[in-house]
Amino acid sequence: EDQVTQSPEALRLQEGESSSLNCSYTVSGLRGLFWYRQDPGKGPEFLFTLYSAGEEKEKERLKATLTKKESFLHITAPKPEDSATYLCAVQAPILTGGGNKLTFGTGTQLKVEL
Amino acid sequence: NAGVMQNPRHLVRRRGQEARLRCSPMKGHSHVYWYRQLPEEGLKFMVYLQKENIIDESGMPKERFSAEFPKEGPSILRIQQVVRGDSAAYFCASSPLSGVFSPGELFFGEGSRLTVL
Repeated sequence: EDQVTQSPEALRLQEGESSSLNCSYTVSGLRGLFWYRQDPGKGPEFLFTLYSAGEEKEKERLKATLTKKESFLHITAPKPEDSATYLCAVQAPILTGGGNKLTFGTGTQLKVEL
Repeated sequence: NAGVMQNPRHLVRRRGQEARLRCSPMKGHSHVYWYRQLPEEGLKFMVYLQKENIIDESGMPKERFSAEFPKEGPSILRIQQVVRGDSAAYFCASSPLSGVFSPGELFFGEGSRLTVL
């Protein structure tokens, strides 16, 4: 069974204090790894897709990287508006039962303070 | 361009009643997914539908839960004889691509929060 573990569960940063969120995964062949952002009371919002080890994607202050066992979401010089829960999800290949579903982690709740 | 629309946003039911949650996908999207988010747990896949077809219901509980996506109108997730453990946020997502080709980029609605008393 596919598993996704995110750490830390919660993270408090001062504005401008860079850090990284971790996503460890176990999947029978990785079709894709995805990062989403979720604000309180809202649905998840897509951020990145990573397909293979060594791949990196960037968007504003966020950078996602991927290895064979884990992914990191690096946040550079965060601002209060970056406060949200960041979710990691994996998708297994269709032939190994991945089908159409994403397996999500429980998320890292990030709070950026002034 | 409206996003994924879910209603009701909040629903309160007593044990034994029925809950119906509706989802209208983004314009141009014909693939709908339902996920459930329990307190302190991650999003869990329930079902994937195309118009008039259930493609993958491997995440749906075997009893009391059903889903449909008719030719006309929204997708509906129906929970019969609700129990307290059904209290959760139910999210609908849509995609313009089929599961075979989908890159996993889903567009989520804001969710329907079910409370069972």
